[in-house]
Amino acid sequence: NAGVTQTPKFQVLKTGQSMTLQCAQDMNHNSMYWYRQDPGMGLRLIYYSASEGTTDKGEVPNGYNVSRLNKREFSLRLESAAPSQTSVYFCASSEGLLLYGYTFGSGTRLTVV
Amino acid sequence: EDQVTQSPEALRLQEGESSSLNCSYTVSGLRGLFWYRQDPGKGPEFLFTLYSAGEEKEKERLKATLTKKESFLHITAPKPEDSATYLCAVQVTGNTGKLIFGQGTTLQVKP
Repeated sequence: NAGVTQTPKFQVLKTGQSMTLQCAQDMNHNSMYWYRQDPGMGLRLIYYSASEGTTDKGEVPNGYNVSRLNKREFSLRLESAAPSQTSVYFCASSEGLLLYGYTFGSGTRLTVV
Repeated sequence: EDQVTQSPEALRLQEGESSSLNCSYTVSGLRGLFWYRQDPGKGPEFLFTLYSAGEEKEKERLKATLTKKESFLHITAPKPEDSATYLCAVQVTGNTGKLIFGQGTTLQVKP
């Protein structure tokens, strides 16, 4: 089973460029999430989707947009990348919003120069 | 403000040397506490969910416990393959389901 698949695994952007991080899960999970992980900051929630058709802001949404394309796919878009967005991005999914363990993807390491 | 603090930041053990990792939390209301394991270059892997004070869960050499203010992850007779970063996260009451993560404890087990 693939679980949660993220693409790309690595990306280097120039300041001001845009890009979309892709995430797909094959576990029929209802809820999906985007986190960023920075040294000394832990994992912080960017956006989440409780179910297909809904999205909500997390702790650090500024500079990002998301799309829940269907039940399987949840994409994260950086419209104008900034060096502060250099991070490792993780997509995760869970059966539901409350009290379910998350399944994480393997991450996208993004560098903005 | 809801907060999760893990200690120590790093822990080195000899193979077979048991120890505990701590996760203390200050939250408005606890819905559940989660433990994850993260290997270098990979995403976190779910280990346990604890729901109420006094609850315990075990998986191989790992045992997680929960009190009203903190959780412990006990590692009994660790092996080198237990080396990883262990993350604690809390889910607060309310409808968002958002997890608040601690910064993790990096465990190294030497043979």
